[in-house]
Amino acid sequence: KQEVTQIPAALSVPEGENLVLNCSFTDSAIYNLQWFRQDPGKGLTSLLLIQSSQREQTSGRLNASLDKSSGRSTLYIAASQPGDSATYLCAPPGYSSASKIIFGSGTRLSIRP
Amino acid sequence: GAGVSQSPRYKVAKRGQDVALRCDPISGHVSLFWYQQALGQGPEFLTYFQNEAQLDKSGLPSDRFFAERPEGSVSTLKIQRTQQEDSAVYLCASSSKVGPPYEQYFGPGTRLTVT
Repeated sequence: KQEVTQIPAALSVPEGENLVLNCSFTDSAIYNLQWFRQDPGKGLTSLLLIQSSQREQTSGRLNASLDKSSGRSTLYIAASQPGDSATYLCAPPGYSSASKIIFGSGTRLSIRP
Repeated sequence: GAGVSQSPRYKVAKRGQDVALRCDPISGHVSLFWYQQALGQGPEFLTYFQNEAQLDKSGLPSDRFFAERPEGSVSTLKIQRTQQEDSAVYLCASSSKVGPPYEQYFGPGTRLTVT
């Protein structure tokens, strides 16, 4: 059974800092890994999807890396802004039940102006 | 174009009442997922549809939970005899893919509070 851990659970940093969010998973047989953002009271917004054959994916100030062998993914946010404040979730499905995407509990990020 | 929509956005039910939550996926999306998200937790998978077929319902927590998608578009999640532990946000997602890797698009969720 896939288990997903996200560290840290919460993070507060001043505006402008670069930061790294970590995601680890126990079942490395994954199709892909998706990073989401969730604003309070809202649904999830997809940020990046890394295919299992890729090692990283970039979108603007966001860069996500994937190391299947070690069961880890990181989300790098450059030059953080107050608008980046949200909860960030990673989700890797497994081959055994690819429709059943397993989410971590998320990292609650707060960027101080 | 329109995204995934869910209704109602908020629902308060007394313990023991039945509730029905609706999901309108993105037009043409064949895959539809339901998730339950407790406060401070990530979403947990409930069930998955491919068109009108419910291919995976292994995440439904009890037989009080029932989901349907009769025409392969709109889906309804029904909870019978609601309990306080059913209080959560219920998220719906859809995907244009019929198999992995899925890229899911989420609705805003329905916040259910059982009193």
